[in-house]
Amino acid sequence: DAGVTQSPTHLIKTRGQHVTLRCSPISGHKSVSWYQQVLGQGPQFIFQYYEKEERGRGNFPDRFSARQFPNYSSELNVNALLLGDSALYLCASSLGYGQTNTEAFFGQGTRLTVV
Amino acid sequence: AQSVTQLGSHVSVSEGALVLLRCNYSSSVPPYLFWYVQYPNQGLQLLLKYTSAATLVKGINGFEAEFKKSETSFHLTKPSAHMSDAAEYFCAVSLKAAGNKLTFGGGTRVLVKP
Repeated sequence: DAGVTQSPTHLIKTRGQHVTLRCSPISGHKSVSWYQQVLGQGPQFIFQYYEKEERGRGNFPDRFSARQFPNYSSELNVNALLLGDSALYLCASSLGYGQTNTEAFFGQGTRLTVV
Repeated sequence: AQSVTQLGSHVSVSEGALVLLRCNYSSSVPPYLFWYVQYPNQGLQLLLKYTSAATLVKGINGFEAEFKKSETSFHLTKPSAHMSDAAEYFCAVSLKAAGNKLTFGGGTRVLVKP
């Protein structure tokens, strides 16, 4: 079974540009969450989607947006990139939302470098 | 709101020695607790989780953790360190009412000396 897949694995962007990161969850999982991990820190929650609806948003500016498609894959978009957006972006999938015994499975991440 | 504090950003242990990583949490309601491991340039892998069943939780690779409500702690241990345990470890908390989103600690990097 394929795990959580993210693309691309690495990319370099210039300040002010726009970037789109993609995530395919584990088959059968309906919830996708995005996390930002700055070098030397723990991951920070950005968004959670379940059944194509936004179910949670972290403390990130409006330059960050996301969506979930009918096949439960997801995109994270970041506009007007800043140097501080350089980070590893992690996608996690889980079966459901707000369940008692749920587990998040993480992809390998997308390493974004803004220059 | 929940939060997690990991004491010690770096831990150095000798191969074969005890590994002890400390995690304290803050939550207004009983949380779920997790330990994840991250190898260089990789995502996060779940080591173990506490979801209000047994307080002593056994995970993969010989790790275990004990939930102590009175101390609001969830420390991770392994009796005998192996070179392959060198990685970064993250403690995380989630609440069912918050959709199970994860709040992570700052991480502890483990170095294993031969």
